[in-house]
Amino acid sequence: AQSVTQLGSHVSVSEGALVLLRCNYSSSVPPYLFWYVQYPNQGLQLLLKYTTGATLVKGINGFEAEFKKSETSFHLTKPSAHMSDAAEYFCAVTNTNAGKSTFGDGTTLTVKP
Amino acid sequence: DGGITQSPKYLFRKEGQNVTLSCEQNLNHDAMYWYRQDPGQGLRLIYYSQIVNDFQKGDIAEGYSVSREKKESFPLTVTSAQKNPTAFYLCASSIIGTTGELFFGEGSRLTVL
Repeated sequence: AQSVTQLGSHVSVSEGALVLLRCNYSSSVPPYLFWYVQYPNQGLQLLLKYTTGATLVKGINGFEAEFKKSETSFHLTKPSAHMSDAAEYFCAVTNTNAGKSTFGDGTTLTVKP
Repeated sequence: DGGITQSPKYLFRKEGQNVTLSCEQNLNHDAMYWYRQDPGQGLRLIYYSQIVNDFQKGDIAEGYSVSREKKESFPLTVTSAQKNPTAFYLCASSIIGTTGELFFGEGSRLTVL
């Protein structure tokens, strides 16, 4: 079984401030972990993913995430928020055996000018 | 450009009517998925298919049906048995045997009047 918990359904930051979106997962097998972003009335697009190897993963638009096995976490960060970062963000885990993904409930990021 | 095309983008339905949402992909992916998205609930898996003429129920399959007659196409029918069909529906695809990264369409918003 696998599950994802995103802490905080809404996060608000000022433009230029640090963005931190939290994700914790559980998985009975080594996981693949993903962050997706969704803009209003659109589909999801991949921000970054962790499969194997380096635990600090860099993605598009200046985002990065660190896989911490001991904490079962995969938090998403960006040093300086931009207005265009306002969107909904989803963390997901994939069971490498079954190939199905489980999503967190999402975090809506608001960026204040 | 390769991608996933969902249609229609917006759909209105009267209670008691069946509706079919189209999903076509030209990525040559074997696996295709249908997710339902409701505010604050993340993405929930309705059905998925890993091969033509075969598909499996996801977590919330009741009131929905699918077919997979061609590799490129995975239509979803929302039947009158679905008690609360108003939602945003997302189709996705992936390559079997890899990380499980999902490629999404732009979504279809169904409103029951």
